[in-house]
Amino acid sequence: DIVLTQSPLSLPVTPGAPASISCKSSQGLQNSNGKHCLDWYLQKPGQSPQLLIYFASYRASGVPDRFSGSGSGTDFTLRISRVEAEDVGVYYCMQAVENPITFGQGTRLEIK
Amino acid sequence: QVKLQESGPGLVQPSDTLSLSCDVSGYSIADDIWWGWVRQPPGKGLEWIGYSHHAGATHYNPSLWGRVAVSVDTITRQVSLSLDSATGADTAVYYCVRYTVTLRHFDDWGRGTLVTVSS
Repeated sequence: DIVLTQSPLSLPVTPGAPASISCKSSQGLQNSNGKHCLDWYLQKPGQSPQLLIYFASYRASGVPDRFSGSGSGTDFTLRISRVEAEDVGVYYCMQAVENPITFGQGTRLEIK
Repeated sequence: QVKLQESGPGLVQPSDTLSLSCDVSGYSIADDIWWGWVRQPPGKGLEWIGYSHHAGATHYNPSLWGRVAVSVDTITRQVSLSLDSATGADTAVYYCVRYTVTLRHFDDWGRGTLVTVSS
C-alpha cells in the first residue's frame, strides 16, 4: 500500500496569515496520463470531508482561490494564502493512483 | 445537487454482519460513476472500504477482503455495504461516496452514519 505522511499534524495559524501542509508519498503518484493522482480534502468540525484539490493542483468547483496545491513525484503541498476562521478543520491528502486508495493521517488547522 | 443519505442500524453485535444502505438522489446512479464507502473510526482518520459500478465491477480494500461487499441497485437507487464478522475495530462513521474514476477523486460524500459494534 502507498503510505502518505503529512506534516505538521497540528497547525495553529493567525487569521490572515499563510499556511502550508506537506504530504509525502512512499512512491510516485503519476498515472499513465501524466497526472498526479493526489487530492486534498477538508473535514470541518462535525461535517463530512469535502474536496478541495484534485490532480495535485486543480481546485474543485466552489473552492476559494486562496487554496492552492502543488507538487510532483512524491512531494506535495497544500497552501492557504490567507487563513480565515472558516478554514479550521482537519486536512487530508489522498492518493488514487492505485488501489487501495489511501489517506494521510490528517493535519488539524486551528486558529490562534 | 447530489445527495447521499446513509441509513442502517447504529448498533451491531460482534460477529454479526454490518449492513448499510445509501439513497442516491440528484444524480443518475446508472451513469459511468463508481459508488462506494469510506469509514472513519471515532477520533481517527479516513479508510477507503471499496466501490462498485452499476455494471457490476467492484474494488475493495485488501484489508477487508473476504468480508466486504458493495453493490449498486439502479432500480432502488441505492448503494449497499455489507461487512461480515464485525468486530469492535469496525466501529466507525461510515460515509457513502461518489467517485469519478477519470478524475480520481470523491466528488460527493454523505453526512455519514455511526455504527458501533458492541454487545
